[in-house]
Amino acid sequence: QQQVKQSPQSLIVQKGGISIINCAYENTAFDYFPWYQQFPGKGPALLIAIRPDVSEKKEGRFTISFNKSAKQFSLHIMDSQPGDSATYFCAVSWGKLQFGAGTQVVVTP
Amino acid sequence: NAGVTQTPKFRVLKTGQSMTLLCAQDMNHEYMYWYRQDPGMGLRLIHYSVGEGTTAKGEVPDGYNVSRLKKQNFLLGLESAAPSQTSVYFCASRDQGISNQPQHFGDGTRLSIL
Repeated sequence: QQQVKQSPQSLIVQKGGISIINCAYENTAFDYFPWYQQFPGKGPALLIAIRPDVSEKKEGRFTISFNKSAKQFSLHIMDSQPGDSATYFCAVSWGKLQFGAGTQVVVTP
Repeated sequence: NAGVTQTPKFRVLKTGQSMTLLCAQDMNHEYMYWYRQDPGMGLRLIHYSVGEGTTAKGEVPDGYNVSRLKKQNFLLGLESAAPSQTSVYFCASRDQGISNQPQHFGDGTRLSIL
């Protein structure tokens, strides 16, 4: 059974816009919440990650917002660029990673 | 820096054939993983290893076997391939220690079973 539910499946955003991807989980034992970015023909690569004692983490144009009480976390891509077009996976971990189903993001010029 | 290297990159098999996928990492990582990626299902863990000579089952282990005879290599075997095993297979490795060490992925093996 999937431990983390990710939405939307896909989204299209214009250059300069904001992309938002959401994930929800059930098990409060998870202690690490990473986001991975995957380009076509490549393996996933760690983009940004957060631990549950922090509510927000920002790295450049990428921000994770974490709501422990709601058991939800989200990825915000600010000022989206065509080079951000990729598939994004959230994941949860308590030793091993469990991935969401993925969101395909397309940034139009 | 090679990182994680998977061979082969593509393969087509007939039902019932066997094959081995090879994963090699040059980062001296203790932990290695095999995942399969299917549309709409993310990545699912098949087997993993926490060190040379060790293996353990993941979420979807049936129909697969693994071996970790050398620290740098992790092999995934299909003894009798089935069409349901058509997928993209990814290997990953990470350093030991606390679980929030990032996993480093190879570029995948695209496997089709006819």
